[in-house]
Amino acid sequence: SQQGEEDPQALSIQEGENATMNCSYKTSINNLQWYRQNSGRGLVHLILIRSNEREKHSGRLRVTLDTSKKSSSLLITASRAADTASYFCATDGNSGYALNFGKGTSLLVTP
Amino acid sequence: DAGVIQSPRHEVTEMGQEVTLRCKPISGHDYLFWYRQTMMRGLELLIYFNNNVPIDDSGMPEDRFSAKMPNASFSTLKIQPSEPRDSAVYFCASRSGTGLREQYFGPGTRLTVT
Repeated sequence: SQQGEEDPQALSIQEGENATMNCSYKTSINNLQWYRQNSGRGLVHLILIRSNEREKHSGRLRVTLDTSKKSSSLLITASRAADTASYFCATDGNSGYALNFGKGTSLLVTP
Repeated sequence: DAGVIQSPRHEVTEMGQEVTLRCKPISGHDYLFWYRQTMMRGLELLIYFNNNVPIDDSGMPEDRFSAKMPNASFSTLKIQPSEPRDSAVYFCASRSGTGLREQYFGPGTRLTVT
């Protein structure tokens, strides 16, 4: 099954710095989503980008999508300690409903 | 809305025992998903329902796993008999059939099989 793969697996930065995470996937998609998971909690939806979009912003988040390279990136600007979490990309594939998740990037933001 | 509700939050059981995990989706959501998360395999889709009907159960690992959705506000995932390798965090998620395609996740059930 198609599955997103995030890179890097782990990222450690200081508060105020920007964090960039990348995602690659294997087959065509309708849309790509990013989720955040705090330790011991469920996943929370952050942002969705459609296959015909190239860039999307939401607050301090910026997502890009390159369907020719089957890749996406998530940029968190001016990071905060509260951004410490795991971040997952998810693709919907042909069904349009079921999501395939990558293994995530673990982000640590230190004060 | 209270969000997706899962119970129990933690379950510790012995190998061979039956385990039942429960989920209450967000009211009005047409789709319900069961996922399993482990360090080794990440987040895996087990099965999903649309309007209480199972649509894709290809992710269910073995016949020991079964899921039901008797009505729009309740679903169960049952493991019988349980094995140590079933230890994982099991998530339930739901989403609307229209509009944005984001899924709303419950807090998960951490299952430990000894």
